[in-house]
Formats: sequence, C-alpha cells, structure tokens
Amino acid sequence: GQQLNQSPQSMFIQEGEDVSMNCTSSSIFNTWLWYKQDPGEGPVLLIALYKAGELTSNGRLTAQFGITRKDSFLNISASIPSDVGIYFCAGPLLPQGGKLIFGQGTELSVKP
Amino acid sequence: DTAVSQTPKYLVTQMGNDKSIKCEQNLGHDTMYWYKQDSKKFLKIMFSYNNKELIINETVPNRFSPKSPDKAHLNLHINSLELGDSAVYFCASSHLGSGPGNTIYFGEGSWLTVV
Repeated sequence: GQQLNQSPQSMFIQEGEDVSMNCTSSSIFNTWLWYKQDPGEGPVLLIALYKAGELTSNGRLTAQFGITRKDSFLNISASIPSDVGIYFCAGPLLPQGGKLIFGQGTELSVKP
Repeated sequence: DTAVSQTPKYLVTQMGNDKSIKCEQNLGHDTMYWYKQDSKKFLKIMFSYNNKELIINETVPNRFSPKSPDKAHLNLHINSLELGDSAVYFCASSHLGSGPGNTIYFGEGSWLTVV
C-alpha cells in the first residue's frame, strides 16, 4: 500500500537552532498536511498544503508542497523548548477523502 | 470547549475483558474516525463514519466494533481484549473530503493497556 517515508526519525538540537524534516511518497498526493503531537496529546494540524510548489508559513514554521507532488518538507526556525514533540506528515488517500496516511514521525528534542 | 472529546483517557484492563471508548465532537462535522497509534508512534486509521454510516473499515479484527448513534458520536467497543490491543486510540472528526476546510481534528487520545 501507499507509504509516507519521513526523515529523520529523531532530532536532538540546541535551542535557537533551525530544524528541517521531510516526507516522501512513491505516489502523488493532492494535499500535504503537517501535524504536531505533544506528549500525552493528540495530533494538531500545523500547516496544510493544497497546491504543488506552495510554500506556507505559520509563525516560525514553514512548509512546502513539492513540485512533483511526491514530497514535502517542514522547517522550524529558531527552535524553542516548546517545539518538543513528534511531527507527522500526512496525506489523504483519495477518493476516501478524510482517510489519512501518516509518516512515521520525527521526534524532536530541544535542549535549552 | 473541547472540540473532540474522548473518554476514558486512561484504561488498564485484563486480557479477555470487553471495554468501550466513547467519543463526541461539537464541531458540526459529518465524519468521524478512529485511529490507532502503536508503541512506535505509528498512526493508522481503523474506521470512519459519515452521517452514522460506515465508510472506511480497515483490516481490523472483528473484536473491534464501532458504533455511531448520531453524527456527533462515535464509540469503539472492543471484545475479548488481547495484549496486542495495548495502544493509544484517537478519535477524530472532519467534514467529508480532503480539500481546504476539511481539516481533521483529533481528540486527546485514550491510552489502553491490557495486562
């Protein structure tokens, strides 16, 4: 079945550093989503991308929808301790609509 | 005002028991989901209901039975619990479709431990 390959699996960084993670697929997606899961909580949507080549920001977060529609990346600038958590890329499997397939997650640790 | 609320948040139970997890959303969405997150944090869809009708049913043991009494509620009943059922179960909801405006909102999760 379809898979999303997300990397890296984990990152340990110093506060203030920039972070980059990406997600690739063997299939085309029409939507790319980036979620964050805080410890003990459910995933929360950070950024949604709907057009190939689209670059969207949400505060210190920036995500891009790859031109081939088979990849996406998420950047976090000037990381802070509350950025700690697991970041997931996700895409809907059409025509099922809301059925999301998730990447394996990138676990981010930020050292003050 | 919690958008997607599920109970209980933590559940520890013995093998062989039957248990239920309840979910309610107050977002006016027409579609609700159950996702399972395993020990490696991998999230995978189990079921989806649209207007009380089952529209997605992944390869899930039939010990798992979802029930949607109305479009704001989707409960998950699990019979004869096994050790491998230990996981975090997330309820979610959205409008049907995958375009802008159809964001899927997740509940806080129910941590199920089978001993």
